[in-house]
Amino acid sequence: QQPVQSPQAVILREGEDAVINCSSSKALYSVHWYRQKHGEAPVFLMILLKGGEQKGHEKISASFNEKKQQSSLYLTASQLSYSGTYFCGTASTDSWGKLQFGAGTQVVVTP
Amino acid sequence: KAGVTQTPRYLIKTRGQQVTLSCSPISGHRSVSWYQQTPGQGLQFLFEYFSETQRNKGNFPGRFSGRQFSNSRSEMNVSTLELGDSALYLCASSLGAGTYNEQFFGPGTRLTVL
Repeated sequence: QQPVQSPQAVILREGEDAVINCSSSKALYSVHWYRQKHGEAPVFLMILLKGGEQKGHEKISASFNEKKQQSSLYLTASQLSYSGTYFCGTASTDSWGKLQFGAGTQVVVTP
Repeated sequence: KAGVTQTPRYLIKTRGQQVTLSCSPISGHRSVSWYQQTPGQGLQFLFEYFSETQRNKGNFPGRFSGRQFSNSRSEMNVSTLELGDSALYLCASSLGAGTYNEQFFGPGTRLTVL
C-alpha cells in the first residue's frame, strides 16, 4: 500500500524551512527519501532503518517514528537547488523487499 | 564510476506489440529494481532482481517480466502492449537489497504506446 505524503506541494522563499511528512498504515522496516527534478532521475537523499540507523547526505535531516510508522524530512534554510519533487519510499514487513513510493511532494523555492 | 544506463531512452510502439528495455547497473551492484512512473500513479515498483534471481514482484500483470544476467545487466519485457503502459520506466541499482540500500536510478526509458 502506498504511503501518504503531505503536503502535496509547498512554496518557499530561500532561507525558509519546511517539513515533508510520510505516513503508512503498515509496520515499516525502512523509509527512503528521494528528490526528482523535472526531466531527471530520482536522486537518493536518505534511508532510515528500523532500529535507528540512518544513511544519507549530511545536509539532509529526517526522522522516523517507528511506533507511528511516520517519517519527516526537514528542509532547513532552503536553497534554490532544493526545488523538485520529493518522494518517500517505504518497505513494510508484510511486503518484504518491495519499496512503495508516495505520490510525491512538489517543492518550489523562490528567490 | 559510470552511472546506471538505460537503453533505449525513447520508444514508440503500437498496441499489441512487445518491447524490451535494458538496464546496466553501476559496476559491482548486484541488485536491479524496476519502476514504472506515470503522472497519475507516481512511482510503482515492478520487480527486483538480485544475482540473476527475481526476489520481489509488484502488482503488475504477467505481461510484465524481466530477467537479470550474470553481469548484473537486466532486461524488462512487456508483451501485448496497452495504451496504459505508456510511462517512464526507471531502473535502479544498489549494492544489496533495494529496501536496505541507496538506490541509484538511471535516466529512464520513455515508452509511448499508440
